[in-house]
Amino acid sequence: KQEVTQIPAALSVPEGENLVLNCSFTDSAIYNLQWFRQDPGKGLTSLLLIQSSQREQTSGRLNASLDKSSGRSTLYIAASQPGDSATYLCAVRTPGGNKLVFGAGTILRVKS
Amino acid sequence: DTEVTQTPKHLVMGMTNKKSLKCEQHMGHRAMYWYKQKAKKPPELMFVYSYEKLSINESVPSRFSPECPNSSLLNLHLHALQPEDSALYLCASSQVLEGTGNTIYFGEGSWLTVV
Repeated sequence: KQEVTQIPAALSVPEGENLVLNCSFTDSAIYNLQWFRQDPGKGLTSLLLIQSSQREQTSGRLNASLDKSSGRSTLYIAASQPGDSATYLCAVRTPGGNKLVFGAGTILRVKS
Repeated sequence: DTEVTQTPKHLVMGMTNKKSLKCEQHMGHRAMYWYKQKAKKPPELMFVYSYEKLSINESVPSRFSPECPNSSLLNLHLHALQPEDSALYLCASSQVLEGTGNTIYFGEGSWLTVV
């Protein structure tokens, strides 16, 4: 059974810092990995999707990497801003059931 | 346009009521999903539709009844719910069910309170 773990559970940083969020998964047989952002009481916003054959994806100040063999992904946020404060969720899409398995999320607070 | 629209945004219902949650997307996606999210927890999959047919039911109680009238619409019919069913219900869609390049797009959710 696929399990997804995110570390740290919460993170507080001053504005302008570069930061890394970690995601690990137990079964390397995945279709892709997707990073989402969720603001309090809101839905999920897709940030980046990395296909199983890819190593990284970039969008603006965000860079996500994938090491499928070791079951790890990182989300790098450059020059963090208070507007980046949210919960960040990673999810892997598994073959067979085609399910999206989520981690518990990292709550990020960027202080101005 | 990567929008999934859900209505209503908030719903309060009694345990004997019948209500429905609605979801709409106009991206031409043929896979649509219902997720349930409790406070401070990740979303949990409930149902998946592929080409308007139910593909996955995650052993959801029968008081939740999904319906996919056409490729753009997804409903979740609610009847005789329990207070523990109070949660954020999220609809999502993707181009197709299979494949490695399938981004899943979520709506803003419907907050359901059962009293």
